Amino acid sequence: GQNIDQPTEMTATEGAIVQINCTYQTSGFNGLFWYQQHAGEAPTFLSYNVLDGLEEKGRFSSFLSRSKGYSYLLLKELQMKDSASYLCAVRDNGGYQKVTFGTGTKLQVIP
Amino acid sequence: GAVVSQHPSRVICKSGTSVKIECRSLDFQATTMFWYRQFPKQSLMLMATSNEGSKATYEQGVEKDKFLINHASLTLSTLTVTSAHPEDSSFYICSARDLAGGNTGELFFGEGSRLTVL
Repeated sequence: GQNIDQPTEMTATEGAIVQINCTYQTSGFNGLFWYQQHAGEAPTFLSYNVLDGLEEKGRFSSFLSRSKGYSYLLLKELQMKDSASYLCAVRDNGGYQKVTFGTGTKLQVIP
Repeated sequence: GAVVSQHPSRVICKSGTSVKIECRSLDFQATTMFWYRQFPKQSLMLMATSNEGSKATYEQGVEKDKFLINHASLTLSTLTVTSAHPEDSSFYICSARDLAGGNTGELFFGEGSRLTVL
């Protein structure tokens, strides 16, 4: 099975940088995703890591260390619209490649 | 990215009735779709894996007779909540993976269906 942990809530200032951590324990790892979810809406895809290292995508970057079971999502130049929940999700290596979501981190960006 | 459409977006029903939710992949074929449930202020919990042409695979603790899943074609999966009760009130979201086109295999989500059982 999968066990995925994230901080419940974070607050950051507009224009700043924030790092959201995710730790996981898995019986079979086949990639890690970060999703953004605004209240009442479906999640939208942000990033994907399957190998160790940093993936950069505009203001968003995601890092993975498979040996440590650790990932983080880095958001730069924070904007008010970045206030949302950020979900870390792990894909297993089973036949259906199921994706299990972490508890989610609710980020509030303040002026 | 690929588009997944879910219907209805909101439904209110009386206790004891059944509700059907449809999930369609609009521009790709999906042999596998996933159904998630999300309670307020909680994360997405995988309920079942829907497989085209075969029985769904349910996660531990999910009642297969209560949450009927039918994946009759490569673009449509349905979830029927049978004999709904107030505790079934939740946000149900379907998702699918577009394996063609060399993408990362991320899940694309439908808009979600908010079920309220009175």
